[in-house]
Amino acid sequence: EVLMTQSPATLSVALGERATLSCRASESISTKLAWYQQKPGQAPRLLIYGASTRATGIPARFSGSGSGTEFTLTISSLQSEDFAVYYCQQYNYWPPITFGQGTRLEIK
Amino acid sequence: QVQLQESGPGLVKPSETLSLTCNVSGYSISTSYFWGWIRQPPGKGLEWIGSIYHSGSTFYNSSLRSRVTISVDRSKNQFSLKMTSVTAADTAVYYCARDAVKFGIDATTPNWGQGTLVTVSS
Repeated sequence: EVLMTQSPATLSVALGERATLSCRASESISTKLAWYQQKPGQAPRLLIYGASTRATGIPARFSGSGSGTEFTLTISSLQSEDFAVYYCQQYNYWPPITFGQGTRLEIK
Repeated sequence: QVQLQESGPGLVKPSETLSLTCNVSGYSISTSYFWGWIRQPPGKGLEWIGSIYHSGSTFYNSSLRSRVTISVDRSKNQFSLKMTSVTAADTAVYYCARDAVKFGIDATTPNWGQGTLVTVSS
């Protein structure tokens, strides 16, 4: 099973500032990595797939990078609606598909 | 636009069987892709349960394999989850989704279902 580790657990960033979230895989997953955003009471929403491709309708301030075992989600200028929990997911090795434990992005 | 909607009882007694159905609209599940279930205990992270292809081929999380069955009803464009011998630890929001198994994620990947809370309690 591929273990996904996200850091930090909680990130405090001011409005308009840049946020950088990290995700590490326990073994190489190529670019089979997705990022999701989840707000309270809602289902996770797909932001990024293939490590760097934005999903349909996702604003350009969201970008993903990385390959192998190290991945980053960057939000270039935080808006109020971006404060949420973010999960990474690997889909290179299955079963099982695995998720990181999440990073909570909060307003500083 | 592909949409998924979970349905089923919101309360299940300990030791009984949890049964959920996912109705898919906007796409025939007989065409392609794996279709799966993910759960999220209150205040916790996401756990992949398993998925199914329209042919009936399945993959399960080994941690749940002994208690889980996923099936498909092509005539109704639905797939279902059954989990036996539930305990309080199975209390969670259960989501259905077009799964990333084998075919990955691409620009056509739909959003997950809205999720349904299942509470295990007597």
